[in-house]
Amino acid sequence: AQKITQTQPGMFVQEKEAVTLDCTYDTSDPSYGLFWYKQPSSGEMIFLIYQGSYDQQNATEGRYSLNFQKARKSANLVISASQLGDSAMYFCAWITMEYGNKLVFGAGTILRVKS
Amino acid sequence: DAGVTQSPTHLIKTRGQQVTLRCSPKSGHDTVSWYQQALGQGPQFIFQYYEEEERQRGNFPDRFSGHQFPNYSSELNVNALLLGDSALYLCASSFRYRGPYSYGYTFGSGTRLTVV
Repeated sequence: AQKITQTQPGMFVQEKEAVTLDCTYDTSDPSYGLFWYKQPSSGEMIFLIYQGSYDQQNATEGRYSLNFQKARKSANLVISASQLGDSAMYFCAWITMEYGNKLVFGAGTILRVKS
Repeated sequence: DAGVTQSPTHLIKTRGQQVTLRCSPKSGHDTVSWYQQALGQGPQFIFQYYEEEERQRGNFPDRFSGHQFPNYSSELNVNALLLGDSALYLCASSFRYRGPYSYGYTFGSGTRLTVV
């Protein structure tokens, strides 16, 4: 069965430091898309970054970067210079052609930024 | 540019009752997906609508049904509510022809349903 795994239930990081949130996936499909979303306590899912399986370079969006290691089937999110407002739940998600145009989410990692 | 709008924001229902949740997609989007997110868990896919038809369905019982209207807005209906249906229900819209790897998924803030 295809699945996506986030092994860190919770993480702490000091303000202004970098943090890495882990995500691994398991698929035999050569084509897929990987996403990271942020969910603050308000509940809205906020898109952060996207990586396609054929993309040659790691995706970056401002302070967010995706450490994509295709052979290891991992897509870790790196947040640089953490801010207090980064405290939230973070979800890794993916879609594959074979299983249709729907996002499948991991269990999430709750991040707390300390001042 | 309005994003995805969901209503109501909060709802309390009694076991056995029926509930209808509503979603207006982002302007320019034609596909609506619904997700159920239990407390402390990741969202689970319920179903997806495009061209007023259910195109995909997750592992949810028939008590969960939906509809999409010509203006692309959508409703999620849940019959015979159970305590376990208590969750945050998220609506996501996208533009189908942007491709399966589109990052054009926009989520609403959700409807928090409590079944007592």
